[in-house]
Amino acid sequence: NAGVTQTPKFQVLKTGQSMTLQCAQDMNHNSMYWYRQDPGMGLRLIYYSASEGTTDKGEVPNGYNVSRLNKREFSLRLESAAPSQTSVYFCASIKGTGQGDYEQYFGPGTRLTVT
Amino acid sequence: SQKIEQNSEALNIQEGKTATLTCNYTNYSPAYLQWYRQDPGRGPVFLLLIRENEKEKRKERLKVTFDTTLKQSLFHITASQPADSATYLCAPAGGGNKLTFGTGTQLKVEL
Repeated sequence: NAGVTQTPKFQVLKTGQSMTLQCAQDMNHNSMYWYRQDPGMGLRLIYYSASEGTTDKGEVPNGYNVSRLNKREFSLRLESAAPSQTSVYFCASIKGTGQGDYEQYFGPGTRLTVT
Repeated sequence: SQKIEQNSEALNIQEGKTATLTCNYTNYSPAYLQWYRQDPGRGPVFLLLIRENEKEKRKERLKVTFDTTLKQSLFHITASQPADSATYLCAPAGGGNKLTFGTGTQLKVEL
């Protein structure tokens, strides 16, 4: 099992450009999450998907959109990148069976710089 | 609003000693709380989960306590090793299995 994979690993964008961050998990997990991590701020939830076909806003959703393409894949789109979106982005998933299995499995992250 | 506080200052301890990290939270009552380890340049890795009806949980050299009255969790690493050096994140659960992460405490274990 590869676990949670993210692409790309690094990206530099100019202000106003758009891009999609890809995330996939091969653990048959139900819920998936997107976080951003900034120095001194901790991990902050951008969007999450409790199950295939559903998405909900987290703490910092402005400037982002998401798509839960299928059970495996959850993408994050920046429509018009801004310097404030410079950050490290992590995708995570949980099995979330309702009987437990709440530990989150994280991907390796995407380091995004917007100039 | 929900707030989580972890020691922002790094914790330096000697090899073999017990490291104790603190997590305080306010303005909510999590059904469970998790601890993660994060190494530089990597994603967090799950360590332990403790539920609101559990006072203590152990896993090998790790121990977590959860005091819902004090709204505090303590994370202990016994017989610490240089390989335990990392940042440790506390994450109480909110609704819908969403976690709110603290900013983490950096632990450095010295020889």
